[in-house]
Amino acid sequence: NAGVTQTPKFRILKIGQSMTLQCTQDMNHNYMYWYRQDPGMGLKLIYYSVGAGITDKGEVPNGYNVSRSTTEDFPLRLELAAPSQTSVYFCASSYSTWAGGANGYTFGSGTRLTVV
Amino acid sequence: DAKTTQPPSMDCAEGRAANLPCNHSTISGNEYVYWYRQIHSQGPQYIIHGLKNNETNEMASLIITEDRKSSTLILPHATLRDTAVYYCIVRARQNFVFGPGTRLSVLP
Repeated sequence: NAGVTQTPKFRILKIGQSMTLQCTQDMNHNYMYWYRQDPGMGLKLIYYSVGAGITDKGEVPNGYNVSRSTTEDFPLRLELAAPSQTSVYFCASSYSTWAGGANGYTFGSGTRLTVV
Repeated sequence: DAKTTQPPSMDCAEGRAANLPCNHSTISGNEYVYWYRQIHSQGPQYIIHGLKNNETNEMASLIITEDRKSSTLILPHATLRDTAVYYCIVRARQNFVFGPGTRLSVLP
């Protein structure tokens, strides 16, 4: 199994441009998440989804949008990119959000985004 | 979810045991302790989790104190590949919150 796949791996955007970060998982997980990680910092939750058609805001949702039309895909949309959105973005999925679920989260390898 | 406190950095000699502490004094009875690690710039990787009993798997051991206010992750024979940032997370059913973690450097 591929697990969680993120594309692209790297991207440079100009201020004001838009882009979509792609995330897909093949483990039939209901729950999916988007985190961002600034240099030297921990991960902050942007948005999450508990199933197809259901999304909710995390800790830092401003400047981002998400959709979840299928179980497998959870794209993250950046509108009007700003330098403050320069970060590494990680997508993750899990079978259950309950702590007793098997092995917690599976993360993708990340998208490194620079806004100039 | 309860907050956790970890030392910002630690060193460990290759081949020796690495003991990473975590304080979670406000932990609730239904909250689990999870450990993840992040090698270089990769996505975090699950290591182990537990509720109140000590746990062991092929990667590590987790020791949770009887009052559950602290825990220790033990890597029994650290290798250079174990150099990473280690995150201790306490949660029940909310989403994971990743703090700054402990940066473990395994030295040759």
